[in-house]
Amino acid sequence: AQSVTQLGSHVSVSEGALVLLRCNYSSSVPPYLFWYVQYPNQGLQLLLKYTSAATLVKGINGFEAEFKKSETSFHLTKPSAHMRDAAEYFCAVSGSQGGSEKLVFGKGTKLTVNP
Amino acid sequence: NAGVMQNPRHLVRRRGQEARLRCSPMKGHSHVYWYRQLPEEGLKFMVYLQKENIIDESGMPKERFSAEFPKEGPSILRIQQVVRGDSAAYFCASSPRTMNTEAFFGQGTRLTVV
Repeated sequence: AQSVTQLGSHVSVSEGALVLLRCNYSSSVPPYLFWYVQYPNQGLQLLLKYTSAATLVKGINGFEAEFKKSETSFHLTKPSAHMRDAAEYFCAVSGSQGGSEKLVFGKGTKLTVNP
Repeated sequence: NAGVMQNPRHLVRRRGQEARLRCSPMKGHSHVYWYRQLPEEGLKFMVYLQKENIIDESGMPKERFSAEFPKEGPSILRIQQVVRGDSAAYFCASSPRTMNTEAFFGQGTRLTVV
């Protein structure tokens, strides 16, 4: 079975500060890993994905994430936070099991950016 | 190319009524996934469909819930005899091949049961 743990349901940073959102996963098959962002009352938008190519993945809006197999982690970072980054972020894992590549999501981390 | 379209965006139903949620995938996408989001929770997988076939319904409650993706028309998630606990946001995602490639999410239907 696959699972995702996001450490910290709420993270608060100052504008211009480093953003670090933590994600640890568990998977019995080679994982595909994703980060999604959700703005209030909106759907999910894909930020980036890891699909067994480069371990450092660059996404949209200046975000990137590093896949570390030894730590079973896929933390999301951004060097300098902007007010528009305030949203909820979800880490998800997928992997082909029985022909269904459904996503398993973490509970999410709400990011607040203070001026 | 329009994105994944879900309607209605908001739906209010009284206990015991039926709720029908619609999802039109992106053009060319034949894989549809339904997820449910409860407050303070992440999204939970419900069902995975391809045209005219249910591939994985392991996340669907055994009673009152059903889903279809006909050859023509949108995918439908039907909830019969709704209860307060069904209040949630329901999201549909579509992909051209498999979820591991890339999936696009709709804006969701927010169901409120009163």
